[in-house]
Amino acid sequence: GAGVSQSPSNKVTEKGKDVELRCDPISGHTALYWYRQSLGQGLEFLIYFQGNSAPDKSGLPSDRFSAERTGGSVSTLTIQRTQQEDSAVYLCASSHGLAGPYNEQFFGPGTRLTVL
Amino acid sequence: GQNIDQPTEMTATEGAIVQINCTYQTSGFNGLFWYQQHAGEAPTFLSYNVLDGLEEKGRFSSFLSRSKGYSYLLLKELQMKDSASYLCAVVDSNYQLIWGAGTKLIIKP
Repeated sequence: GAGVSQSPSNKVTEKGKDVELRCDPISGHTALYWYRQSLGQGLEFLIYFQGNSAPDKSGLPSDRFSAERTGGSVSTLTIQRTQQEDSAVYLCASSHGLAGPYNEQFFGPGTRLTVL
Repeated sequence: GQNIDQPTEMTATEGAIVQINCTYQTSGFNGLFWYQQHAGEAPTFLSYNVLDGLEEKGRFSSFLSRSKGYSYLLLKELQMKDSASYLCAVVDSNYQLIWGAGTKLIIKP
């Protein structure tokens, strides 16, 4: 596709339910990032993939959060037993490779998660 | 630890010039990005600096001083559409992006 796509665009769920968020990066981009952004706040790094492997999972807030990437393309972020504090916009970004010149991150439109 | 500092909010007048500062303390440095984020939208790339000096791109310019751990984004001839948050992000020694919290810029007529 022309850009990074994410689905769903909005997700409302009940506390305790599991949710799965999907990210389709730009074709050919090897690096994929997941961020979380609460209203009026900056970006909170969650996890980064280079190809299918995740060299840096340091940002995942708890063991309820997990992510995978298959075929070096689509990634899913799964949140188990959601809590109200998980409510935020989840942003996915992709880039040609490691951050640096000509390797800016391109962001998807985000998934707005609301946990009731 | 790694730290990026930006002012939380700034206000400027349409047609004027505004400078948004960013100071950083990171483990290594491999460049600095500025992104623009309009409310409710995803961030979009503005600039990348890795060498000292000023990079000009239309109404926007970005400056870097590596020795001072300092950058600024300069916006000239401000327009109402420039109202947005501006995010500073530094590439550390592991080529990971460290993000600042962003500066919300409010443009008044």
